[in-house]
Amino acid sequence: QAVLTQPPSVSGAPGQRVTISCTGSSSNIGSVYDVHWYRQFPGTAPKLLIYGNNNRPSGVPDRISASKSGTSASLAITGLQAEDEADYYCQSYDSSLSGVVFGGGTKLTVL
Amino acid sequence: VQLVQSGAEVKKPGESLRISCKGSGYTFSHYWISWVRQMPGKGLEWMGRIDPGDSYTNYSPSFQGHVTISVDKSVSTAYLQWRSLKASDSALYYCARQSISGTDLDPWGQGSLVTVSS
Repeated sequence: QAVLTQPPSVSGAPGQRVTISCTGSSSNIGSVYDVHWYRQFPGTAPKLLIYGNNNRPSGVPDRISASKSGTSASLAITGLQAEDEADYYCQSYDSSLSGVVFGGGTKLTVL
Repeated sequence: VQLVQSGAEVKKPGESLRISCKGSGYTFSHYWISWVRQMPGKGLEWMGRIDPGDSYTNYSPSFQGHVTISVDKSVSTAYLQWRSLKASDSALYYCARQSISGTDLDPWGQGSLVTVSS
């Protein structure tokens, strides 16, 4: 069972806005540790999508954004496109476990 | 900057195995290397990490004692090793670079598929 909790699936029509939540606790997201997000297409390695809570690496479009508040974080994708269909994972660090922790992953389906 | 992992492996239960992850395009000793497991159809699980500078390691409690992470910085390569494989070790294993000053993982290797079957 993953330390961070994500919904197993979300869906939206092209052009719509979807959000993916990531809930943790006081030893990870609720502490000083950043939240990062990854996207994984079938058969490929995960790729960093958001780092440091709300920063986009070069090449990630600004219709993808993220935020962190308290013990939760969320990823938002606006102007949904077919190419956004993938699995999304949140990640942080946990002081109790002294290590990296992931969410269970969310499958985004574009209807 | 890239991480290139060793190829797919097919092993029998009880056999040993070491897979590798070679970094290039950056100063290898300046970044941690983490290993992440992904079982078939499942999510990402962090296994542990190593500081190539001094070979310091820390492991997830779920993997402590089951695997060994090591490094040879002379060839910019990190390793993940099993002494006695089990069928439940069948999975895709990724290495990823982690900044010493941060916790994000970027980039990732292409993955090494390990199949353990009698």
